[in-house]
Amino acid sequence: DQQVKQNSPSLSVQEGRISILNCDYTNSMFDYFLWYKKYPAEGPTFLISISSIKDKNEDGRFTVFLNKSAKHLSLHIVPSQPGDSAVYFCAASASYGSAGGTSYGKLTFGQGTILTVHP
Amino acid sequence: KAGVTQTPRYLIKTRGQQVTLSCSPISGHRSVSWYQQTPGQGLQFLFEYFSETQRNKGNFPGRFSGRQFSNSRSEMNVSTLELGDSALYLCASSFSGVSYNEQFFGPGTRLTVL
Repeated sequence: DQQVKQNSPSLSVQEGRISILNCDYTNSMFDYFLWYKKYPAEGPTFLISISSIKDKNEDGRFTVFLNKSAKHLSLHIVPSQPGDSAVYFCAASASYGSAGGTSYGKLTFGQGTILTVHP
Repeated sequence: KAGVTQTPRYLIKTRGQQVTLSCSPISGHRSVSWYQQTPGQGLQFLFEYFSETQRNKGNFPGRFSGRQFSNSRSEMNVSTLELGDSALYLCASSFSGVSYNEQFFGPGTRLTVL
């Protein structure tokens, strides 16, 4: 059962235009969401995050929107640049209680979207 | 500030062997999480450690284990390796993991099982 889904395996965008990457989740316990960018043979690089108390968070060219009722989030990149070409993962987490304490240490990832920005 | 480091970067092992991977978190970070990335299953959570205690565990067999030391460095061990264990193993650190903290990833260890 895939709790975080990125339904578009790939996206192709012209340089300077907007890139919109989408992500859906099913677990209503998720309350913290993150976007990562990944190049082959490297670890994911953190881009931006949003908690469930917000519906929008901006950081430079990156904006994340969260629609809790639809269980949907999106990442907007404006303007897109060729260097943005990579695989983008959305991830979600929920608090987890254990004998070791409360944790947000488990991220559940989507399958990724390959973004290609053409010059 | 130095990032998350993982050693070794590449490993080749044969079936039945065991392997130990190491992760040094960002200075000041006390939570370390481990993930496995494969083409078929994507990025999957293995376990998380905080203050030398495992706080959370994913759905992996008992052959996968880990530990954390007092300096927050972490190791994961895979015993009786199987072909399907070939993957990129990633560790990530965060400040505490008890609230909304982003996780920062290391470059990964590429494990190939022959």
